[in-house]
Amino acid sequence: EAQVTQNPRYLITVTGKKLTVTCSQNMNHEYMSWYRQDPGLGLRQIYYSMNVEVTDKGDVPEGYKVSRKEKRNFPLILESPSPNQTSLYFCASRRRRIGFMNTEAFFGQGTRLTVV
Amino acid sequence: EDQVTQSPEALRLQEGESSSLNCSYTVSGLRGLFWYRQDPGKGPEFLFTLYSAGEEKEKERLKATLTKKESFLHITAPKPEDSATYLCAVPDNDYKLSFGAGTTVTVRA
Repeated sequence: EAQVTQNPRYLITVTGKKLTVTCSQNMNHEYMSWYRQDPGLGLRQIYYSMNVEVTDKGDVPEGYKVSRKEKRNFPLILESPSPNQTSLYFCASRRRRIGFMNTEAFFGQGTRLTVV
Repeated sequence: EDQVTQSPEALRLQEGESSSLNCSYTVSGLRGLFWYRQDPGKGPEFLFTLYSAGEEKEKERLKATLTKKESFLHITAPKPEDSATYLCAVPDNDYKLSFGAGTTVTVRA
């Protein structure tokens, strides 16, 4: 089954304790992204990756790191989490554009992070 | 400036009461418009892609249409299981989708 898998689904942590949220896709997609979703603010892109070893900042990258060492995996790292990073996080993957047509993104089930 | 605006924010329907959701966009040179369904606490689930004005896509009770400035998601004879938040998105570039804030649909039996 084609899917994007995130872990963990729920996480409660304390301020400053480093954490990693994993993301893996089995569709051989080139593009992967991380989004956060907050009430009233919708989905905002944190970081994206165009391919292995190629990443760039999205709209809200402060306080986050990513890496893409393998095509299927795209972990999100919070080196020193703060309460304002409490949010619902989604990983997504897409095939590269076909001609002029952008392709749909497939999303993971989400990680609800609470930083106290 | 917002690229994608959805209306209404919320829609309460009786079972069987058809209605439409609107998604207007300002990006030029549209390279796809995407509709997603999202259940509370879950990831967005892909519904449709539309590429050109006049295009229509259907899936069960849902039909999406596209004009040069907006898209509509029509829900025909909705059932309670159609209750969800519906999101539309357009590509800013090859790597980023801009999402609207969504329309939360509640269908009462």
